[in-house]
Amino acid sequence: DGGITQSPKYLFRKEGQNVTLSCEQNLNHDAMYWYRQDPGQGLRLIYYSQIVNDFQKGDIAEGYSVSREKKESFPLTVTSAQKNPTAFYLCASTARRVAHYTFGSGTRLTVV
Amino acid sequence: ILNVEQSPQSLHVQEGDSTNFTCSFPSSNFYALHWYRWETAKSPEALFVMTLNGDEKKKGRISATLNTKEGYSYLYIKGSQPEDSATYLCAFMEWGTGANNLFFGTGTRLTVIP
Repeated sequence: DGGITQSPKYLFRKEGQNVTLSCEQNLNHDAMYWYRQDPGQGLRLIYYSQIVNDFQKGDIAEGYSVSREKKESFPLTVTSAQKNPTAFYLCASTARRVAHYTFGSGTRLTVV
Repeated sequence: ILNVEQSPQSLHVQEGDSTNFTCSFPSSNFYALHWYRWETAKSPEALFVMTLNGDEKKKGRISATLNTKEGYSYLYIKGSQPEDSATYLCAFMEWGTGANNLFFGTGTRLTVIP
């Protein structure tokens, strides 16, 4: 079955470390997205990519970086510059502008 | 950042009750309005994508309406069942940005009591 796989499900990071969250899709979708969820807030867009080798900053890109070397993969790196990285991270993809998003099951990142 | 508001934040209903919630979004530059259901420990699941003013969509006991001129959408659940317990998210897509970005509300958390 087609879908989006996010890994790991839970991630613990020490302060000052970079960590990379994986997002892989086998839906042949062109566009992929990273969202962050904090308690009491809606999903906020970190980065998005509409095509391989191209990506754009979302509303809260500071302290994050991404790459899109393959259509199937859109990894997110949370750098040490991200001041408050503890959050739930969701990856999504879509085939075209009006189509619904397909979401992964998320990664919960905790800084210890 | 566009403002998308959902109300109520949470509600509890008895099994068999019908219920509805509201999503408010900017009435200008409308392109699309999405509804998703997000059950605990699962991925958000698409319910509806709505694009036309006056649109009504239905999926089983769940339906939605759209008013783009005044900037709101209602989600209705008829005869709520315990399996309807979830957070319901709406998301707004703006015209003209060239991107498919969605702006999400904070969700309405529904608990159906057996």
